[in-house]
This record gives sequence, structure tokens and C-alpha cells, in this order.
Amino acid sequence: QVQLVQSGAEVKKPGASVKISCRASVETFTRYYIHWVRQAPGQTPEWMGAISPSGGSGTYAQRFQGRITVTRDTSTSTVYMDLSSLRSADTAVYYCARGPSAHTYFDHWGPGTLVSVS
Amino acid sequence: EIQMTQSPSSLSASLGDSVTITCQASQDIGNYLNWYQQKSGKAPNLLITEASNLGTGVPSRFSGSGSGTDFTFTIIGIQPEDIGTYYCQQFDKLPLTFGGGTKVEIK
Repeated sequence: QVQLVQSGAEVKKPGASVKISCRASVETFTRYYIHWVRQAPGQTPEWMGAISPSGGSGTYAQRFQGRITVTRDTSTSTVYMDLSSLRSADTAVYYCARGPSAHTYFDHWGPGTLVSVS
Repeated sequence: EIQMTQSPSSLSASLGDSVTITCQASQDIGNYLNWYQQKSGKAPNLLITEASNLGTGVPSRFSGSGSGTDFTFTIIGIQPEDIGTYYCQQFDKLPLTFGGGTKVEIK
């Protein structure tokens, strides 16, 4: 059974950082890329980055370079997305989603984590 | 960054109608295009991969076509459960990018 379980909502001040978790089933964690996609209120989804099932460093959208870090914990099958220097424009629902590669479709999504910055 | 332009931004259809949404890429993306449906307050749900391949468990009233820069998504015989917002997404080049969305309503 595919499961992507995300951490709960966060409220942050501008300039702070947020770290969101996404716990996957073992099969998903070991065989699929985990991507991060965010969606601001009333806006289109925006791809932020991804990490491969073999680990290593993440692949990030240029616009988030320097502010985003995606990591994995193999002991808990959990992927983390850390976003720093938060501003009000970062207020959004953040989704983790799985895909078979970096260039891909997303066939399963987490329920989303609301991050409010104010 | 590849820009994806969707039209229309919204539409209203009667039950049983056919509806068509178009998506245009700012450069040739081959058939590297997916379509999603998103219902209010939920994550997007994958409908079509690689421009025309129906996703697992997706009803056959949904279809997609196109290649290069111009793509079409069609619902034949729209049902009440089809209300939501539909997005195209290219995966030819990083960053992966989405269209602006088409909000579908039932008259």
C-alpha cells in the first residue's frame, strides 16, 4: 500500500526556517524519487525539488537554490524538506509526491502540509 | 524554464457534455506531458501520463493527445464527480512546470 504521511501544519515568522517530513512505505522509499511540490492559495502547483531513492544530494529548482535542502532518513523511511529564510510568499500547502524518476509524473501524493508565514 | 499555457482558465458544462482543455508548451517537449485533476482541498490526482496514456483506474471518458508544443485533454460525457481544477505538467526539462489550471464546473 502506497503511503505518504506528512507532518502537521506550521506557523512561522518571516526569516525563520521550516522542516517538513514525509514518511513513506518502505517500497516507495527504496524504489521511487520523492518530490516536493508546493501550492500557494489559489495558485498553480510549483515543483521545488526531489531526492533519489539512492540518496545523495537533492535536485532543486533554481529559484529555491540556497534556501532548500531535501534529505532522507533510511532508518525511518522519511524524507525531509527544509526551507529557510521564509517570507510571506512562502505561505502554501507543501506536498510530497512520488515519481519513478526526476523527470516524471507524480502517481501518489501526500495529503499536504500547510505552512503559514506571518 | 518551460512555460505551460492552459486554456480556458474556467469552463461550465452540462452533464453529459464533452469538454476540451488545451495546453501549450513554450518549447518542444515531445510527449513528456501529464494531466492531473485536483478537487478542492485535496492533492492533485494523476489522470494521463506521456500525453495520452490513461493512469491506473482512470475512467475511459478521459483522454489526452498531442505532441511537441500543443496538447489536448478531453472529457467525453462529463459527470458530476468531474468538477475540479485540471492541470497539465511537463517533465521534459527541469524544473518541472505546471499549467495555470482549468476550473471545470457543472451548469
